[in-house]
Amino acid sequence: NAGVTQTPKFRVLKTGQSMTLLCAQDMNHEYMYWYRQDPGMGLRLIHYSVGEGTTAKGEVPDGYNVSRLKKQNFLLGLESAAPSQTSVYFCASSQPPRLAGGNNEQFFGPGTRLTVL
Amino acid sequence: SQQGEEDPQALSIQEGENATMNCSYKTSINNLQWYRQNSGRGLVHLILIRSNEREKHSGRLRVTLDTSKKSSSLLITASRAADTASYFCATDAGSGGYQKVTFGIGTKLQVIP
Repeated sequence: NAGVTQTPKFRVLKTGQSMTLLCAQDMNHEYMYWYRQDPGMGLRLIHYSVGEGTTAKGEVPDGYNVSRLKKQNFLLGLESAAPSQTSVYFCASSQPPRLAGGNNEQFFGPGTRLTVL
Repeated sequence: SQQGEEDPQALSIQEGENATMNCSYKTSINNLQWYRQNSGRGLVHLILIRSNEREKHSGRLRVTLDTSKKSSSLLITASRAADTASYFCATDAGSGGYQKVTFGIGTKLQVIP
């Protein structure tokens, strides 16, 4: 099993450009998440999904959109990139606690390092 | 705002020594988890302790939870250079289907060979 994979690993954008980050998981997990990690800020939740076709806002959703058309994929879009979106983006997935004996361990991808100039 | 706050933010020890990291949180929780992140990698789950548990062990890891003080500690015994990483606590709260998980800012551990 590949676990959680993210594409691309690195990307440099100019201000105003758009891009989509792809996350895929092969563990049949219901829940998927997008986080950003910035120095001194820890992980902050951007958007999450509790199932195919459903998404919800996290802590820092502004400037991002997401889609979960297939259970195994979770896409993060930046419509008009800004320098403030320079960060490392992590995708994660998990099972609902009720399906995992109360355990909501999250499985993380390797990250996408995005620089917006 | 962050639910969990780790202390210290950075820790440097010699190989073979024990490393202790602390996590404090603000509201009632269901579970508390600890994760490790090696440089340039994603987070990896280490251990979960439930709110009704006080101590849990996994190999060289020992986690304690004090719900009255809203704090947890992670002890790594007999540290190795390979333990060099950042360590994060994560708390989850809420009931029903989705339980919000909040990560702290992490403790950066350096183990010197």
